[in-house]
Amino acid sequence: GENVEQHPSTLSVQEGDSAVIKCTYSDSASNYFPWYKQELGKGPQLIIDIRSNVGEKKDQRIAVTLNKTAKHFSLHITETQPEDSAVYFCAASKPGRRALTFGSGTRLQVQP
Amino acid sequence: SAVISQKPSRDICQRGTSLTIQCQVDSQVTMMFWYRQQPGQSLTLIATANQGSEATYESGFVIDKFPISRPNLTFSTLTVSNMSPEDSSIYLCSVGAGSQVYGYTFGSGTRLTVV
Repeated sequence: GENVEQHPSTLSVQEGDSAVIKCTYSDSASNYFPWYKQELGKGPQLIIDIRSNVGEKKDQRIAVTLNKTAKHFSLHITETQPEDSAVYFCAASKPGRRALTFGSGTRLQVQP
Repeated sequence: SAVISQKPSRDICQRGTSLTIQCQVDSQVTMMFWYRQQPGQSLTLIATANQGSEATYESGFVIDKFPISRPNLTFSTLTVSNMSPEDSSIYLCSVGAGSQVYGYTFGSGTRLTVV
């Protein structure tokens, strides 16, 4: 089955800096790659996603890039703010198996 | 996107007992999933809840331990049976709508502690 690896497990940045989280997936049939943000005591919240027919997608301070050949995708957060502090999960799914396979998570801490 | 109400939000249960978790959605959805998130860990799929038929379980999860019902397109329950401390986790309901939909929504989760 699909395996999604995520790095780093923890990331500490200064407010205003950029943060990058990387994921690799194993199944070349995967075609949908969402990113979720989970704050303490809450369920995961979708923050951005990308499909396999697109190489990059941006939404204000957040961007995701996808390299299908290398089977990896990354989350980029610019101008980080303390409220960006949370655990971020990448995930993947493919046609015929709509459920998501999650990465192990990255705890991002933005120091004010 | 769909709004999910998941109940209870948390519970402390005695070992050997069972707990039923409810997931109510404010609109009809095609896909409903149940995930488990062990303390400090990622999310693992337990099963896909199928409307009007038996759920589809992932490897390592069985119906006797985690019976699931889905009587209609807006509601599902997950029961954690004969609980042990190892079942202490957050249980999350997730939904998606339509055959081509992406962007699954998650409930706020049920934080279960088994003592």
